[in-house]
Amino acid sequence: EADIYQTPRYLVIGTGKKITLECSQTMGHDKMYWYQQDPGMELHLIHYSYGVNSTEKGDLSSESTVSRIRTEHFPLTLESARPSHTSQYLCASSGRNTGELFFGEGSRLTVL
Amino acid sequence: DAKTTQPTSMDCAEGRAANLPCNHSTISGNEYVYWYRQIHSQGPQYIIHGLKNNETNEMASLIITEDRKSSTLILPHATLRDTAVYYCIVRVPNFGNEKLTFGTGTRLTIIP
Repeated sequence: EADIYQTPRYLVIGTGKKITLECSQTMGHDKMYWYQQDPGMELHLIHYSYGVNSTEKGDLSSESTVSRIRTEHFPLTLESARPSHTSQYLCASSGRNTGELFFGEGSRLTVL
Repeated sequence: DAKTTQPTSMDCAEGRAANLPCNHSTISGNEYVYWYRQIHSQGPQYIIHGLKNNETNEMASLIITEDRKSSTLILPHATLRDTAVYYCIVRVPNFGNEKLTFGTGTRLTIIP
C-alpha cells in the first residue's frame, strides 16, 4: 500500500484566490511528480522533482509553481486561480529506478 | 519513448480472462513495457512491467512477443473492480528520471 497523501481532495474556490495543493509521502522517495487530468482526458505531467531543492517543468505548460524544501513534501501553488485551472491534480512519487510510480488520490479543483 | 497503440475500449465478462493488447512496433532494445490502470479518476496504479520475458505477479500476467513489437496484459479472472482505464507505456527506466507519459489507454468494462 502506497503512502502518499493529497489534500484537499476537493476544493471549490473563486477566481483570483491563491491556492496550495498539498502532497506528502512517507516512503522516503526522492522523485516526485504532479500530473494534471481533465475528466475523461489524458494525464499530463506539469512538474517534477528529483529531490530537495530540485524542481523542473513538465511536458504541459502550467501557471502553477512547486517547491521541494523537504523530501516528503511537494506542494503545488496557484497564485491567482482562474476557471481554466479547473481540473484534477495528481501527485506521485518514485524511489527506485524501475518506472513504478505511486499516486495519491488526487485533488479535484473547481474555480468559479 | 516509443509510441504505443491500444484499443479505445473493451468489454469482458466477469470471471473470464481479460486480454488487453498493446502495439509498440518502434520499441527499442532497452525499453521496458509498463502497465498501469486508473479506476474512476483515482490515481493510476502500477500493475506490472517487463523487458522481454513474460512476467506474472499477483495482479496480472504480461506476455511480450518474441520480436517485442506487441504485448498483452492478462487479468486471469476479471472482477467488476477491474473496470478501469488501462495504460500501456514503453520507456527506458532512466536513473533519476521516471517521468511517464500516459496516453489514452483502453477503457475496460467488466460485464456482470
